[in-house]
Amino acid sequence: ETGVTQTPRHLVMGMTNKKSLKCEQHLGHNAMYWYKQSAKKPLELMFVYNFKEQTENNSVPSRFSPECPNSSHLFLHLHTLQPEDSALYLCASSQEQTAYGANVLTFGAGSRLTVL
Amino acid sequence: GESVGLHLPTLSVQEGDNSIINCAYSNSASDYFIWYKQESGKGPQFIIDIRSNMDKRQGQRVTVLLNKTVKHLSLQIAATQPGDSAVYFCAENMWEGTALIFGKGTTLSVSS
Repeated sequence: ETGVTQTPRHLVMGMTNKKSLKCEQHLGHNAMYWYKQSAKKPLELMFVYNFKEQTENNSVPSRFSPECPNSSHLFLHLHTLQPEDSALYLCASSQEQTAYGANVLTFGAGSRLTVL
Repeated sequence: GESVGLHLPTLSVQEGDNSIINCAYSNSASDYFIWYKQESGKGPQFIIDIRSNMDKRQGQRVTVLLNKTVKHLSLQIAATQPGDSAVYFCAENMWEGTALIFGKGTTLSVSS
């Protein structure tokens, strides 16, 4: 496996379900990110982890709970979601999040989430 | 907050033509810019980047131009091919090392 792998690729869940999205990177990177991609909207940054520490939480509702057990794995735990949370959730990684701002991200293919 | 935007949501070109995709940004503190390409069913892929101390950078068949005076970024694709059909995003990053901020995207359609 190479690059950034996301599972599952597709997920359908009810509003009362609890599910998790998983991301794994095989690039030796130290920063990992969750972005939300909705139709006709820019990619929205959700969370950033740098060396396993959360460095950004972009005012994301608490029904989304990230977890970063190590620099290679990132999870997004989902609980009591709303239909408007249906979107493509993209995971990305970068070498690290530096003050240079040159954070070239490598993205996974995304997890398509549908909330009924 | 401030964000990166794009001029046109769609662009249609003929195979072999040169394509120009534009992006206007509003944050003068942005130091670094990237273009990404997203094909259907895939995540965004890095194309080319440029720092604010440059005004032009060339890659293979692609050129990025940066005009800081009018806060404008463009991606030029030479001899556009059907495989170039995708959504193109520009993104900016500020010196403080925050994560990339993306624009809405331009869908490029290339017809044979």
